[in-house]
Amino acid sequence: GAVVSQHPSWVICKSGTSVKIECRSLDFQATTMFWYRQFPKQSLMLMATSNEGSKATYEQGVEKDKFLINHASLTLSTLTVTSAHPEDSSFYICSASGLQGIEQFFGPGTRLTVL
Amino acid sequence: DAKTTQPPSMDCAEGRAANLPCNHSTISGNEYVYWYRQIHSQGPQYIIHGLKNNETNEMASLIITEDRKSSTLILPHATLRDTAVYYCIVLLDSNYQLIWGAGTKLIIKP
Repeated sequence: GAVVSQHPSWVICKSGTSVKIECRSLDFQATTMFWYRQFPKQSLMLMATSNEGSKATYEQGVEKDKFLINHASLTLSTLTVTSAHPEDSSFYICSASGLQGIEQFFGPGTRLTVL
Repeated sequence: DAKTTQPPSMDCAEGRAANLPCNHSTISGNEYVYWYRQIHSQGPQYIIHGLKNNETNEMASLIITEDRKSSTLILPHATLRDTAVYYCIVLLDSNYQLIWGAGTKLIIKP
């Protein structure tokens, strides 16, 4: 299957700082990318859907000004957690799908710890 | 809300077939059933998907009932490395979103 990478794999930051997470599709063009958040022992929660070149669509309850998503190219999407606080500590996972949109390929995830 | 229900946990002996059930009674005609698994602290791994017909690949088989209201994922010869949380998901045909339920924690025992 197609490969999706995320960077960094894990990050620790101070409260109040911003953190950027990158999601790359390595061998295909991702027209749509999805960002998920997963708290310990819970399932994945969809945060937002982004299509290349357009604004992301956020799920209810997700603050778009806090979680900035940029999908500027067909192989890269970024999620910036602005002014991070301890409650933002979580496992962030991206997925990408190609032109047909049916199959999603997942990245390995980024573990964010906010002190 | 997730459109699927799964048992929260299951055990299976190593070398035996693991059969994981899933109910999706409200599935629509064009919505696919997907199965992913997640090993602790890793991204989800795709296993298999299907629409109406049974499917088989190198990892597993997917049996979908004729009315499409339920399905079963079969791991034919479970190994210890198959211990993971298995998610049965319906892909929404309106926006291709995967809505995740709680999954089944499958524990393979030696």
